Amino acid sequence: GAVVSQHPSRVICKSGTSVKIECRSLDFQATTMFWYRQFPKQSLMLMATSNEGSKATYEQGVEKDKFLINHASLTLSTLTVTSAHPEDSSFYICSARDEAGASNQPQHFGDGTRLSIL
Amino acid sequence: KQEVTQIPAALSVPEGENLVLNCSFTDSAIYNLQWFRQDPGKGLTSLLLIQSSQREQTSGRLNASLDKSSGRSTLYIAASQPGDSATYLCAVPYMDSNYQLIWGAGTKLIIKP
Repeated sequence: GAVVSQHPSRVICKSGTSVKIECRSLDFQATTMFWYRQFPKQSLMLMATSNEGSKATYEQGVEKDKFLINHASLTLSTLTVTSAHPEDSSFYICSARDEAGASNQPQHFGDGTRLSIL
Repeated sequence: KQEVTQIPAALSVPEGENLVLNCSFTDSAIYNLQWFRQDPGKGLTSLLLIQSSQREQTSGRLNASLDKSSGRSTLYIAASQPGDSATYLCAVPYMDSNYQLIWGAGTKLIIKP
């Protein structure tokens, strides 16, 4: 079945560091990918919609200069947390929808990236 | 505006019991409804997807039903096992955009050996 690969799975770094997270669709093309954030014991919150070849669409309250999204190909989207601070520590998950065939395809999720900023 | 609610927020049952998790949504105009499982500190695993035209989907010990008219879906787990312990989330696509999902808050399930 369709697989989404997300790397790295875990990042621990100092405050002020920029961190890049990759999300790849391995066996399907995705013009749209989604980035979510999850705080402990809370549900997923959509951060932004990543669109191949164009600018990402950010949800209200999400700083676009803080969370840079690049979707340069049909199989890769990246999320860069710039100058990360402890409050950015969270679990980040990407997803993509296999857009080939029927319009009612499910979304597939990466395994997530746990970001810890010291 | 679509809202998705899951009740209960947490559930603890002895091993072997059959159980039902509930998901309700306010707008019945949905493309589909998807159930996910999330283990602590892990990503999401898609369990079942029910198309809007379907009434139920089955996968092994899992059965998901959909009643659009009443805005409800249930996830039935038969003969529960400790390995079923996880948080279960339901989600529906937001129809006016690129299928971004609207999530319930999840039900944390603990199966006691």
